[in-house]
Amino acid sequence: EAGVAQSPRYKIIEKRQSVAFWCNPISGHATLYWYQQILGQGPKLLIQFQNNGVVDDSQLPKDRFSAERLKGVDSTLKIQPAKLEDSAVYLCASSRGGGQPQHFGDGTRLSIL
Amino acid sequence: GENVGLHLPTLSVQEGDNSIINCAYSNSASDYFIWYKQESGKGPQFIIDIRSNMDKRQGQRVTVLLNKTVKHLSLQIAATQPGDSAVYFCAENSGGSYIPTFGRGTSLIVHP
Repeated sequence: EAGVAQSPRYKIIEKRQSVAFWCNPISGHATLYWYQQILGQGPKLLIQFQNNGVVDDSQLPKDRFSAERLKGVDSTLKIQPAKLEDSAVYLCASSRGGGQPQHFGDGTRLSIL
Repeated sequence: GENVGLHLPTLSVQEGDNSIINCAYSNSASDYFIWYKQESGKGPQFIIDIRSNMDKRQGQRVTVLLNKTVKHLSLQIAATQPGDSAVYFCAENSGGSYIPTFGRGTSLIVHP
């Protein structure tokens, strides 16, 4: 089966600019996750979707981050405006459901200048 | 708050040795645990999982042990190979929706 697809692979922007990331999960996977991984740390969950509903977004900085999964398939994560501290790899993962192994994309590496 | 941590940030072993990577968790409500392997520039890759109703699970060359009494998880890799060199993360899942929390990771270095 095809894996989780993410784009772009790399992104460089200046602080206060906006950026968006796209994720296409594995076909049939109901649960989709967005993570932020800062260098040298483990992935931190930003938001978890079950189909097109939000299961958990307690660690999403809602003043600047937003995510949607309108049709329960693809998802986008947006940052507006970006801060220097947002430099990280943004990982998308999907699973058949909660309590199932997650399959990760290779992430988008974001650098803020 | 609750967190998942790893005892050793770096583990160096010789090719052919067995490796043991440890993980401590603090959320007693966690009931599903996963080990992932992450190579440079890649996303984490699923290795093995275990649910709280088990204390041991074996895969190909890997074994996961769960000790709920002391909230400890370990990953054993038999006959470690250079291709096993990577960062290993444990993740705990809690709540009815299985919200995942990752630890900091252990870097495994395998010397030929």
